[in-house]
Amino acid sequence: NAGVTQTPKFRILKIGQSMTLQCTQDMNHNYMYWYRQDPGMGLKLIYYSVGAGITDKGEVPNGYNVSRSTTEDFPLRLELAAPSQTSVYFCASKRGYEQYFGPGTRLTVT
Amino acid sequence: AQKVTQAQTEISVVEKEDVTLDCVYETRDTTYYLFWYKQPPSGELVFLIRRNSFDEQNEISGRYSWNFQKSTSSFNFTITASQVVDSAVYFCALSEETGTASKLTFGTGTRLQVTL
Repeated sequence: NAGVTQTPKFRILKIGQSMTLQCTQDMNHNYMYWYRQDPGMGLKLIYYSVGAGITDKGEVPNGYNVSRSTTEDFPLRLELAAPSQTSVYFCASKRGYEQYFGPGTRLTVT
Repeated sequence: AQKVTQAQTEISVVEKEDVTLDCVYETRDTTYYLFWYKQPPSGELVFLIRRNSFDEQNEISGRYSWNFQKSTSSFNFTITASQVVDSAVYFCALSEETGTASKLTFGTGTRLQVTL
């Protein structure tokens, strides 16, 4: 099992550009999550999904969109990138009470 | 609303010293889970432990031990005989178990620096 994979690892965006952060898990988990980690801070929940076709907002959803068409994939979309979205983004999936995290995507918006 | 406080921003110790990382939480849930994660310089998140709100027994795993006290809403983490490889940022997290999805609330982390 590859676990939770995220692409790309790094990305630099210009203000106003859009992009999709990819997240895939091969553990057949229903629950998936997107977090962001700002420098020197803990992780904050952006969006989560309890299964294919079902998503909901977390603590900091503004500026992001998600979709969940399959159990495996949970992409995060940034439509109009802003400097405030410079962060490290982590995707996770859950089995039982434990969340399994991907390696993260480091995004810089300039 | 849930909250996790890690008041220690950064701790520096010399190798072989013991060190305790503090975690205080707030929740109105009666059922919840507490976690510790390690984030080494490489950036990934490494799961260390999960504890449910009904189990106040302390746990020891090698050089790591955890002290859960509901009376003070604390879940502290002690590393005995610290090593350079323990240098990392450590996060305490609280899971809300109501509803259909458990959502983690993280503290701001404690950066541990272990030097020779």
